[in-house]
Amino acid sequence: ILNVEQSPQSLHVQEGDSTNFTCSFPSSNFYALHWYRWETAKSPEALFVMTLNGDEKKKGRISATLNTKEGYSYLYIKGSQPEDSATYLCASGGAGNMLTFGGGTRLMVKP
Amino acid sequence: ETGVTQSPTHLIKTRGQQVTLRCSSQSGHNTVSWYQQALGQGPQFIFQYYREEENGRGNFPPRFSGLQFPNYSSELNVNALELDDSALYLCASSLLGGSNTGELFFGEGSRLTVL
Repeated sequence: ILNVEQSPQSLHVQEGDSTNFTCSFPSSNFYALHWYRWETAKSPEALFVMTLNGDEKKKGRISATLNTKEGYSYLYIKGSQPEDSATYLCASGGAGNMLTFGGGTRLMVKP
Repeated sequence: ETGVTQSPTHLIKTRGQQVTLRCSSQSGHNTVSWYQQALGQGPQFIFQYYREEENGRGNFPPRFSGLQFPNYSSELNVNALELDDSALYLCASSLLGGSNTGELFFGEGSRLTVL
């Protein structure tokens, strides 16, 4: 994998559903993996910065896992709410905080 | 709220013109990065400034240039605008060094339309 890739591109779920997205990134020379949440008309906001293989992080109903050896990360949202509707971006980062972003997963949660 | 502010929020230029976008970074941050987000794509790294010097650059031509000032605010300048420069330009500040987490704090962006 040469670039950061995210799937799916977009996702529609019902309120209360749990969901997950995938981020694939180059596993060689790995430094850090970032997840950002970007609501419409606002600025992207950091969810997690992960550096260790096998790391799991959690913030409320949102959690993320990291596999640096195979180059993927999963973001999970438990019991989706309409306010979770946003674009979720992942990015592979270097030592200087210069990030390579994926194309994002746009999540829409229907009430 | 991240404390990163960008101006202007929207602007329209014509092909061949020049544009300057401005960013005020979060208090205490020493690094500013600029990203371009074209429609339907993720943000692409343009360059980063640290202590008033360009610290890294993405795959953008020299007509994209920048400045960082002693107060860590920054400008992005684009000369000889092309239609493909139409995009949302995001500024992000961060703290390099020490025990920082590496996360970026973004502004809301400046949307540039080139006609």
